[in-house]
Amino acid sequence: KAGVTQTPRYLIKTRGQQVTLSCSPISGHRSVSWYQQTPGQGLQFLFEYFSETQRNKGNFPGRFSGRQFSNSRSEMNVSTLELGDSALYLCASSLGQGRTEAFFGQGTRLTVV
Amino acid sequence: AQKVTQAQTEISVVEKEDVTLDCVYETRDTTYYLFWYKQPPSGELVFLIRRNSFDEQNEISGRYSWNFQKSTSSFNFTITASQVVDSAVYFCALTNAGGTSYGKLTFGQGTILTVHP
Repeated sequence: KAGVTQTPRYLIKTRGQQVTLSCSPISGHRSVSWYQQTPGQGLQFLFEYFSETQRNKGNFPGRFSGRQFSNSRSEMNVSTLELGDSALYLCASSLGQGRTEAFFGQGTRLTVV
Repeated sequence: AQKVTQAQTEISVVEKEDVTLDCVYETRDTTYYLFWYKQPPSGELVFLIRRNSFDEQNEISGRYSWNFQKSTSSFNFTITASQVVDSAVYFCALTNAGGTSYGKLTFGQGTILTVHP
């Protein structure tokens, strides 16, 4: 069974640009969550999608957005990039019931210069 | 609000030593779920274990064991006879499985474990 796939693995962008990250969950998983990981703030929850609907959102500015497609694949977008957006962005998939474990992808390392 | 505290920022041991990683959590929910994840240098978070709030049985899996104590709000993780391959960052996480916690894991700051040969 294939795991969670995130693309691309690495990205370098310039301040002010926008970026789109992609996540393909494990087959059969309908929930996709996104996290930002930085050395200073640790792992922070961005948002969660289940069956194409955003069910939960963390405390991030509106520049961070996401969506989920009918095949459960998800994308997150960051507009008007800032230096502080440099981070490892991790995607997790699960069955969508909180009691079940989430499985993570290898992440996308975003560097904003 | 939920909170997870991993007081140990870094631990360094020599191979074959036993090591315990501490995790203390805070939540007002009566039903919640605790997790441990391992993050090797590759970056992916690897699921290790899930524990339900209503199940205080300790668990052993090979060289790994977990001690869940609701009375002290702790969910500690022990590696017996550590190996160099155990070197990684370990995260403890918490969710209440519904409502405002849909899809959301609250993570501790992580413990960097280094096992020297």
